[in-house]
Amino acid sequence: DTEVTQTPKHLVMGMTNKKSLKCEQHMGHRAMYWYKQKAKKPPELMFVYSYEKLSINESVPSRFSPECPNSSLLNLHLHALQPEDSALYLCASSQLLDRPYEQYFGPGTRLTVT
Amino acid sequence: GQNIDQPTEMTATEGAIVQINCTYQTSGFNGLFWYQQHAGEAPTFLSYNVLDGLEEKGRFSSFLSRSKGYSYLLLKELQMKDSASYLCALLSNYQLIWGAGTKLIIKP
Repeated sequence: DTEVTQTPKHLVMGMTNKKSLKCEQHMGHRAMYWYKQKAKKPPELMFVYSYEKLSINESVPSRFSPECPNSSLLNLHLHALQPEDSALYLCASSQLLDRPYEQYFGPGTRLTVT
Repeated sequence: GQNIDQPTEMTATEGAIVQINCTYQTSGFNGLFWYQQHAGEAPTFLSYNVLDGLEEKGRFSSFLSRSKGYSYLLLKELQMKDSASYLCALLSNYQLIWGAGTKLIIKP
């Protein structure tokens, strides 16, 4: 199983809503990532978890709150978002953080903030 | 700091060969990855180089020269489904630094 799954595929939310994005992998990977991608731009790293601990936070606003409940799951909690936060949110995983392993990406959640 | 350059767009003909170049500057090199991304979809891993030389994977090959800060992705026997963006990504201090991507357009 080399799949990373993400739910939901699409999400429309208002600026006062609270929602969560979910990501799951069963490859035994110990590093998991959240990226944000705008149209025609490369992915921008948001957060990195290594062994379920937050390893990297790329100065992301506090309206984005990551959570790693266990080694297979990664959540991104959203609250009071802005329209400019509309983007494709990608989850990825890799075998380990401090080794040059490829990252496997989920299909993404297309988020629209109204 | 790190910097990655790749062409914005390239056009090639079905059945032909195309080479997408990537140049980079970095203070901490751990590897160079190539990903393919179709519009609206997630990136998919194509190849990875950590040592100098050519890595071949079917129709796709990737080359690396660390001394020159240079890599290329070679696509042979182009098919229409190869129309996509190709992202060069530098692993530096074990973080992926992404190039802006090269949009490859395949014409019949």
